[in-house]
Amino acid sequence: TQLLEQSPQFLSIQEGENLTVYCNSSSVFSSLQWYRQEPGEGPVLLVTVVTGGEVKKLKRLTFQFGDARKDSSLHITAAQPGDTGLYLCAGLDRGSTLGRLYFGRGTQLTVWP
Amino acid sequence: GAGVSQSPSNKVTEKGKDVELRCDPISGHTALYWYRQSLGQGLEFLIYFQGNSAPDKSGLPSDRFSAERTGGSVSTLTIQRTQQEDSAVYLCASSPELRAEQFFGPGTRLTVL
Repeated sequence: TQLLEQSPQFLSIQEGENLTVYCNSSSVFSSLQWYRQEPGEGPVLLVTVVTGGEVKKLKRLTFQFGDARKDSSLHITAAQPGDTGLYLCAGLDRGSTLGRLYFGRGTQLTVWP
Repeated sequence: GAGVSQSPSNKVTEKGKDVELRCDPISGHTALYWYRQSLGQGLEFLIYFQGNSAPDKSGLPSDRFSAERTGGSVSTLTIQRTQQEDSAVYLCASSPELRAEQFFGPGTRLTVL
């Protein structure tokens, strides 16, 4: 069962453009994490959002957690080629005491110079 | 190194053979997770170890898959009688405690011919 739906699946843009990727679910999560994965490497955590409505900024990246804690978005301002990678969202099961994460399929972002 | 390491980085095997994949977690991390990442798919949870507790095996896709963790450190994922659909990248992650950030290794790319 795919609990988290990410869109778009692929995104190809020019350097300097802005973009938003979405992570949606019908389930409520206690927290939601965003990871970036580069070829041949494991995912690296970018941010964890915990509170409904929470907004976190990481340089040019802005993350938002929906009020109902079912969805999230990642906005990148003035994208750069170094932002290229697979962006994954992962929800922490509200009922899990073990820290089990449910991952979306990811958004493959390519930023052209 | 201080990160999670996995070996081998690549494994090519013939259908029907057994394979062992190894994960060395970050020293001191009590939680260890195995995930599988197939092309175009998100990360699929396989199994979880926490300290000396019984592992959560709920994500293992079949009884051909097993894993153990010796001495609360190194873990081995074994796939018996491999099938072509087992081809994927197998990722290991460790965490300092329950529900904390997970640190991923680079993965083992398994190809079953």
